[in-house]
Amino acid sequence: EAQVTQNPRYLITVTGKKLTVTCSQNMNHEYMSWYRQDPGLGLRQIYYSMNVEVTDKGDVPEGYKVSRKEKRNFPLILESPSPNQTSLYFCASSLSAGIETQYFGPGTRLLVL
Amino acid sequence: RKEVEQDPGPFNVPEGATVAFNCTYSNSASQSFFWYRQDCRKEPKLLMSVYSSGNEDGRFTAQLNRASQYISLLIRDSKLSDSATYLCVVNDYKLSFGAGTTVTVRA
Repeated sequence: EAQVTQNPRYLITVTGKKLTVTCSQNMNHEYMSWYRQDPGLGLRQIYYSMNVEVTDKGDVPEGYKVSRKEKRNFPLILESPSPNQTSLYFCASSLSAGIETQYFGPGTRLLVL
Repeated sequence: RKEVEQDPGPFNVPEGATVAFNCTYSNSASQSFFWYRQDCRKEPKLLMSVYSSGNEDGRFTAQLNRASQYISLLIRDSKLSDSATYLCVVNDYKLSFGAGTTVTVRA
């Protein structure tokens, strides 16, 4: 089944404790991205990757890191989480950037205390 | 000004009614437009693309007005299962998402 998976789905952590949210897609998509969704603000792009080893900042990259060592995986790293990073996070992939349909993962609910 | 703006609603409509709502975008050079559906903070899923000439998909009709920079979505004969948040998405070399319009269809 073609899908985007994220882990963990739910996470409660404390300020400053490094965490990684994994994202994997099995559709051989080149383009992957991370979004956060907050009430009233819509989805905002954190980082995106056009292909392996190619990543770039989105609209709200501060406090996040990513890597794209393999085509299928695009982990999101919070080196020192803060309460303002409490949010719902979605990973997405598509064949390429541009007009292609975005396929979203199921989301990760993060609470930073 | 936000890149993509939507009326958050909620739009509460009875089954069988028609409901329509708009989305405005700020970048006149935007190339492509979409409506996504999102259920209860689950992942967004593509509902339909929006073509320049307007397009239908069953009970859903999407329109684009480039002169006034808005797109619209109309749902005919509303079903309970249409209750969701509808996200307007504009592509100008990156995807910009609206905050969503919530539709609740009641029995």
